[in-house]
Amino acid sequence: GAVVSQHPSRVICKSGTSVKIECRSLDFQATTMFWYRQFPKQSLMLMATSNEGSKATYEQGVEKDKFLINHASLTLSTLTVTSAHPEDSSFYICSARDTGQPQHFGDGTRLSIL
Amino acid sequence: DAKTTQPPSMDCAEGRAANLPCNHSTISGNEYVYWYRQIHSQGPQYIIHGLKNNETNEMASLIITEDRKSSTLILPHATLRDTAVYYCIVDGNNRLAFGKGNQVVVIP
Repeated sequence: GAVVSQHPSRVICKSGTSVKIECRSLDFQATTMFWYRQFPKQSLMLMATSNEGSKATYEQGVEKDKFLINHASLTLSTLTVTSAHPEDSSFYICSARDTGQPQHFGDGTRLSIL
Repeated sequence: DAKTTQPPSMDCAEGRAANLPCNHSTISGNEYVYWYRQIHSQGPQYIIHGLKNNETNEMASLIITEDRKSSTLILPHATLRDTAVYYCIVDGNNRLAFGKGNQVVVIP
C-alpha cells in the first residue's frame, strides 16, 4: 500500500518552455502533498506544501509564480514549472500523506532544460 | 538547522544486521523520529517511524533510547539492495527536513 506515482520520470525541453509534473496517490487519499527539489549531490529541499482544495504554502525563496501547484483532488497534485530555464534543471520529487500517516514519495522527475 | 546527527557513511556486511545510529538531543516531546532511505536516482522510501516506543515492521526495527535523545535503525539481515542513503529525521508536523544522511554500503 501507500503508492505514489509521479509522471513523467524524465523531461528534456528547451529554455522558455513550461513543464507540468503530475503526482498521484494510487491507493490512499492524499490530504496533503509536498513538492521537493534535489540538486546533484545535495539533499532534498522542500519547495511547497499543498492541502486538497487550498492554495499551496511555499517555502522561503521559492517563487510561487514560477512553480505553480494545483491540488484539486485527494489523489492528484501537479507542479508546473513556468518558463523553465537551465538553472531550473533538477530532480523534482513529490510526496503525499493521509491524515496521521507518514509521507510516501514518488520516484521523481528529472528535468533538464537546454 | 539540522536536528539530527548521523555518520556520513558506513559499510555493512551482507547478511549481517546493520545498526544505523542517529543523535537527536534536542528532540521535542511531540516530535517523531522518521527513517527514510534513498537509492540513487529514486524518490525516498519510507522505512519506519516512532515516538518513544521501539517499533518493528517488515523492513526494520527502530530502537529509541528512553531519554529519546538518540535512536538506532536496525536492518536485520542486510542485502546488497539495502545500499542507499539513510535519513533520520525528527519532525512534529510532517514537514520533513532532510539532512545529508548516512551513505550505507552493503559489502558482499
